[in-house]
Amino acid sequence: NAGVTQTPKFRVLKTGQSMTLLCAQDMNHEYMYWYRQDPGMGLRLIHYSVGEGTTAKGEVPDGYNVSRLKKQNFLLGLESAAPSQTSVYFCASSPDSPFGDTQYFGPGTRLTVL
Amino acid sequence: GNSVTQMEGPVTLSEEAFLTINCTYTATGYPSLFWYVQYPGEGLQLLLKATKADDKGSNKGFEATYRKETTSFHLEKGSVQVSDSAVYFCALSFDYKLSFGAGTTVTVRA
Repeated sequence: NAGVTQTPKFRVLKTGQSMTLLCAQDMNHEYMYWYRQDPGMGLRLIHYSVGEGTTAKGEVPDGYNVSRLKKQNFLLGLESAAPSQTSVYFCASSPDSPFGDTQYFGPGTRLTVL
Repeated sequence: GNSVTQMEGPVTLSEEAFLTINCTYTATGYPSLFWYVQYPGEGLQLLLKATKADDKGSNKGFEATYRKETTSFHLEKGSVQVSDSAVYFCALSFDYKLSFGAGTTVTVRA
C-alpha cells in the first residue's frame, strides 16, 4: 500500500513551457485535491475532485487545469508556466465516509519556473 | 468565510520544554479541526483531529481541545523532543475541503 504518490519529485521549467503533475492513490478514495505551498502562506487549494470524471475550482485555480479520468489518478496541468507558479505542490486524497474529512498527502513536487 | 489563524513562528525550544502553538478559527457551522505536521522534506501527516466542541484530540504526546466558546484549537505538548522539530499546521474542514493556517516552524535543540 503506497498511499499517495506524486510524479515527478522535482522539476525546473522555463517561462511559457507546459507540464503535467501526476498524483496516484491506491486507497480507493473518492476525493482528491491539489494544493500549493508557499512560504508564510500555508497550503492553498488549487483544484479538487469529488469523484471520477469531476473537477472543481479551489482558492487559487488560475493558470492550472486538472483531470480525473480514473478514480485513482488526478492530474494537474500548467499550460504556460510563469515564475509565480514556482512552489511546492501537494496532492491529497480522502475517503467518502463520516471520517472523510481526514486528508492523506503525497510527498510533494518542487517546481521552479525560471 | 472559513479561515484559520495560527501563531507565527519560528519557535525554538530546548528538549523537554513545554510547547504551545495557538490556533483560532472563523467558520460558519461546526467544522472539524485538525493539526497536521510536516517533517523536513516530507508531505503533511495528520497529527490529531477533533470533530465537535469539547472534543480533545491526542497523539504522540500532543493534545488539542476544540473550544467553541473561544473558537480555538491550541496545540500543546508537555515535553518536546528533537524529533518533534517540524512545521505544524492548524486546519479546519468544511464541505470536504481543508482551510490551513500559515504554519508554525518548531525547532527543538538538544
